[in-house]
Amino acid sequence: NAGVTQTPKFQVLKTGQSMTLQCAQDMNHEYMSWYRQDPGMGLRLIHYSVGAGITDQGEVPNGYNVSRSTTEDFPLRLLSAAPSQTSVYFCASSYSTRAGGYTFGSGTRLTVV
Amino acid sequence: AQRVTQPEKLLSVFKGAPVELKCNYSYSGSPELFWYVQYSRQRLQLLLRHISRESIKGFTADLNKGETSFHLKKPFAQEEDSAMYYCALIGIGGRQFYFGTGTSLTVIP
Repeated sequence: NAGVTQTPKFQVLKTGQSMTLQCAQDMNHEYMSWYRQDPGMGLRLIHYSVGAGITDQGEVPNGYNVSRSTTEDFPLRLLSAAPSQTSVYFCASSYSTRAGGYTFGSGTRLTVV
Repeated sequence: AQRVTQPEKLLSVFKGAPVELKCNYSYSGSPELFWYVQYSRQRLQLLLRHISRESIKGFTADLNKGETSFHLKKPFAQEEDSAMYYCALIGIGGRQFYFGTGTSLTVIP
């Protein structure tokens, strides 16, 4: 039982490049989400999914796309990287948001130059 | 609109002293609140949820609906408590978690 696995752990991109941050969970959780963590701003929700085939926008969705073709995977795509997207990205999953208790991945530290 | 406010970005206390990390919220309805902790270079972990009224690692938090607060308390701080602490709230419909900006706690030996 690996929990929530994020890859890569570190990434440097040039402005304008695209990439996909991977997130996978093996707990059969229906609910998955992506957050970015910035100093002084806490964690802000980018996108979330309540099940395979269902996604929705969070607080800061611009510049990011997601899809949920399987219960296990929830990749986050940066369409055209910008320096403002330099951040630490966390993926999280939960069997139920109302029960509380996300399981978080270890994070991806992204730098856009 | 839902909002979670943690007024202190940094908090330092001496080992053995009481510690209180403040969290205030705004929410139109019955909130569900949580505390998460992030130790240095580790992933976030759930520390407490108000519905279970539990005590984890000596920490407790009481929901005060009158003051719209969910402060985290511990009577005697330990060095291993040094970490970043986030207060979080489940939004309307239970689909979005809203996090505060976090409080970095340092326990001085």
